[in-house]
Amino acid sequence: DAGITQSPRHKVTETGTPVTLRCHQTENHRYMYWYRQDPGHGLRLIHYSYGVKDTDKGEVSDGYSVSRSKTEDFLLTLESATSSQTSVYFCAIAGRGDYNNEQFFGPGTRLTVL
Amino acid sequence: AQSVTQLDSHVSVSEGTPVLLRCNYSSSYSPSLFWYVQHPNKGLQLLLKYTSAATLVKGINGFEAEFKKSETSFHLTKPSAHMSDAAEYFCVVSGNNQGGKLIFGQGTELSVKP
Repeated sequence: DAGITQSPRHKVTETGTPVTLRCHQTENHRYMYWYRQDPGHGLRLIHYSYGVKDTDKGEVSDGYSVSRSKTEDFLLTLESATSSQTSVYFCAIAGRGDYNNEQFFGPGTRLTVL
Repeated sequence: AQSVTQLDSHVSVSEGTPVLLRCNYSSSYSPSLFWYVQHPNKGLQLLLKYTSAATLVKGINGFEAEFKKSETSFHLTKPSAHMSDAAEYFCVVSGNNQGGKLIFGQGTELSVKP
């Protein structure tokens, strides 16, 4: 299995509070991704990174920010959590960023916003 | 732009019978296509991928898929279902885009009856 960990694995928080999810990899891969998974929608890309300090928006980026200060860590922040952000969040990594890209996924973080 | 449609949200088969999970794609470029599997409360695992080589692709655990450009399809099959195949399956397309972004189908839940 690819060396990807996510923390925390489960979190319950209240509306309006800030939340940070962490993705850590030991593969030294250049590309990292954050997705959210909701029933009936598959996985949707939130943000991705193509190098240290290099990030870009995905399909559903509103309400989320990211940071990548080291190759191995990619942080996802909800500045002020809302109930619509209740979801399962997956981090993924890839060694290349072209059409032949194969991504490896972490175990996921289940976030509940009350 | 790329998109993926999984034609069945749920498929139920009996153990030992064939499995067919259907996927149609849309892409303005020659796509790469993937099938991922997600077992309950787990992350996603790559089953197989097509990247413009052989049109019949063999994956892990006896699964295979055939790329049919004329039908814009990439259906997943297995000759004989096993109880351990019960999971959710995602068809995924990666187009000619920077960053290696993936577009996921909505998922097909496979149930296997004894």
